[in-house]
Amino acid sequence: DIVMTQSPDSLSVSLGERATINCRSSQGLLHRSNNKNYLAWYQQKPGQPPKLLFYWATSRKSGVSDRFSGSGSGSDFTLTISDLRAEDVAVYYCQQYKTISWTFGQGTKVELK
Amino acid sequence: QVTLRESGPALVKPTQTLTLTCTFSGFSLTTRGMCVAWIRQSPGKALEWLAHIDWNDDKEYSTSLKTRLTISKDTSKNQVVLRMTKMDPVDTATYYCARVGVEAHGYYAGLDYWGQGSLVTVSS
Repeated sequence: DIVMTQSPDSLSVSLGERATINCRSSQGLLHRSNNKNYLAWYQQKPGQPPKLLFYWATSRKSGVSDRFSGSGSGSDFTLTISDLRAEDVAVYYCQQYKTISWTFGQGTKVELK
Repeated sequence: QVTLRESGPALVKPTQTLTLTCTFSGFSLTTRGMCVAWIRQSPGKALEWLAHIDWNDDKEYSTSLKTRLTISKDTSKNQVVLRMTKMDPVDTATYYCARVGVEAHGYYAGLDYWGQGSLVTVSS
């Protein structure tokens, strides 16, 4: 199975500042069928199910704030939250769905400093 | 409007079999490309993908749990059922079902709609 490793495990960010979360996969996630990286990002707030933010690493789901951006390719990916707001406090997960056995990262908790 | 809802027992005993049902609306699993997945989350832990089933009845299972899992669908009822045998206290978790998003040409695009989850506790 592909192992997904996120860093850091947690980070404290001040309101209005930028949060950067990294995700590394043990194998490349580029799918030759459509030349897309099969990597998704989710936001999970306490007591709620995860919410899809990005698919194919950089495609923002409709309705997601443009303060969120996804980047990266191959096996290294980044989720960036600009101008952090209190409502962004959550745990963020990356997930690969390239292989038949899908896997998630361990999560990164974003808190307010 | 796409919705999913998980249902099943809140408490199961060790060694028993868990059966969870995902009832959905707003899409059909008879539509080419559609797929529904099960994911679980132990208290305070990360998400863990369990299985998924697609419109063509193709099924995939977690490598570590495949001997214990069975996923099936009933398209007439818009339901997907997950069975997990030999339940153990470590299987205590919130179990989610989610729709797999599909973009142009049927390519998967993440898990775009989730149910609220069903908390299952394994205890004697």
